[in-house]
Amino acid sequence: DADVTQTPRNRITKTGKRIMLECSQTKGHDRMYWYRQDPGLGLRLIYYSFDVKDINKGEISDGYSVSRQAQAKFSLSLESAIPNQTALYFCATSDYGEGQPQHFGDGTRLSIL
Amino acid sequence: SQQGEEDPQALSIQEGENATMNCSYKTSINNLQWYRQNSGRGLVHLILIRSNEREKHSGRLRVTLDTSKKSSSLLITASRAADTASYFCATAFYSNDYKLSFGAGTTVTVRA
Repeated sequence: DADVTQTPRNRITKTGKRIMLECSQTKGHDRMYWYRQDPGLGLRLIYYSFDVKDINKGEISDGYSVSRQAQAKFSLSLESAIPNQTALYFCATSDYGEGQPQHFGDGTRLSIL
Repeated sequence: SQQGEEDPQALSIQEGENATMNCSYKTSINNLQWYRQNSGRGLVHLILIRSNEREKHSGRLRVTLDTSKKSSSLLITASRAADTASYFCATAFYSNDYKLSFGAGTTVTVRA
């Protein structure tokens, strides 16, 4: 089984809909992240959480919200989806401290019509 | 804003050849990491180099870091078809809680 699991893997929805992307991990890491990947732009950080009671905005948090339900679960919501939120979304985890690598899920491809 | 920029954006080589890609960044770092992304998959960590290191090796990978030029290079020797992927550099700094700042990536195609 994958260490970082994202659901769904693909989603097509309409403008204005509320969408939730879910991430769960079995690595026991405290730190979790949500990224967005657009062609030619690399990964941009949306939100991150360093433990269950800690939620922080990343560089592109507008239009998104998150919930850290447990150490192992971190969900990303789009309250009212718009077409320019069409992208590939990744969840990642890492252990605490300098030099810790991040471990990524296989992503959710989201299309908003 | 993104910290790193990779060069070239795309690279096509013959199997067995070496692939070199470069990453430039803008601010101070504690470490620089390289990740690989296969088509349709998440990123996978390849190698990390700290700011006080100049070169590291891992299997067929060689990474260099020049903090005076704010640049790093990743060399893949004796490339294989399975090396076909996008490669990203990411930087981390303590004042940013060691969050990673990614570049836009280099897409490498290895021809059989």
